This record gives sequence, structure tokens and C-alpha cells, in this order.
Amino acid sequence: QQQVKQSPQSLIVQKGGISIINCAYENTAFDYFPWYQQFPGKGPALLIAIRPDVSEKKEGRFTISFNKSAKQFSLHIMDSQPGDSATYFCAASSKSSGDKLTFGTGTRLAVRP
Amino acid sequence: KAGVTQTPRYLIKTRGQQVTLSCSPISGHRSVSWYQQTPGQGLQFLFEYFSETQRNKGNFPGRFSGRQFSNSRSEMNVSTLELGDSALYLCASSLWRGEGETQYFGPGTRLLVL
Repeated sequence: QQQVKQSPQSLIVQKGGISIINCAYENTAFDYFPWYQQFPGKGPALLIAIRPDVSEKKEGRFTISFNKSAKQFSLHIMDSQPGDSATYFCAASSKSSGDKLTFGTGTRLAVRP
Repeated sequence: KAGVTQTPRYLIKTRGQQVTLSCSPISGHRSVSWYQQTPGQGLQFLFEYFSETQRNKGNFPGRFSGRQFSNSRSEMNVSTLELGDSALYLCASSLWRGEGETQYFGPGTRLLVL
């Protein structure tokens, strides 16, 4: 059972554009929602994370929007740059599951110069 | 501070063999988790260790096992390897356990089973 659904699978954006990646979850016990960025040959690196008590969190060009009632959250990358080209994973965890992260299937982002 | 290190980085084995992968967490981190990453299944949780005890386990067969040592270093073992075990095995460490602690991933060990 896939508990975190991520879309789109791949995304092409022009330099300077906005990249938007969406995730939806089923488990209402989830209370921590991080986004990870992975470059080829590297392990995932935490980009930004949010808890359900806030609807939006912004760090630099990266913003998470969170809709608790719809059980959805999304990553917005403003002013996308070629260096942002990577695979992005949303994830979720709950207090009861400790450090166990349930990941989405990933979105391969390509930012064209 | 050095990041999470994993050894070896690449490994080729044949079906039926067994393999041991090693993970050294960031200094001071006490929680270590393991994930399997494949193109078909994505990132899947294997298990989590804290204070030398397995705290959580994913839906993998018993051929997958692990342990954590008193210095927080961790190993995972896969016995009787199958072709489908070919994957990138990632280790992640965090300072403490749960409550949204940031997990820092290593570069992974890429295992190829022939």
C-alpha cells in the first residue's frame, strides 16, 4: 500500500520558472513532512520540512504548502535554476514510527537554461 | 563534522551469497536507519536502530538483518542474495530518535547481484 503519492513523475521547467511538486498521504497519524533532494550518485539531502500545525513554510527559494484537511502538501521552487535539476522526494513520518520515513516515488526535475 | 559514511561504496555478488554493509553515523548521532532504493520500488524503509536495539522494521524478509554497536556504527546483512536485492542501500543517522529529527543520509552502497 503506497501511503504517500507523489506527482508528477518528471518535470521540465525553464530557468527562472516555478517548479511545483505535489504529494498526498493517507495515514492521518503522519505529523512530520520533509522534502529531500537527491543528485545522481549521492544520498538524499533534507531540503525543507513542515509539521501539520502550519500551512506554509518558506526557506529561501523553497516553500512547502500544507493542506491538512485534504491530506496534501507540495513543494514550490521559485526562480528555478539549472543547479536545482535533481530528483525530489516527499516523505512522511509519525511519532509512533520513530525515524521511519515513508517516501513518495520521486520527481525528476530538469531545469532548462 | 564528517558526514555519514558507508562502506563499501560498490559491491558485486552472485546469487546465494551473503553480504555485509557498514555504516558510520555522524559523530554523536545515536539513531541509524537503513533504506533500500530501487528504480521500481523507490525508497523503502528496512530498519531503525537506536541504542543498539532495533526499534522499527520494514516489510522485508528475514534474510535482511542488521545490528548496531555501542559506538552507534551499524551493519546490515543480507543472506542468500537474490537478483532482486540489487539496489542502492542507504544509511541515515539522526541525533536522537523520532520527533522529526533530521535524518542525514550517506552516499549509499550500490549492490549488484549477478
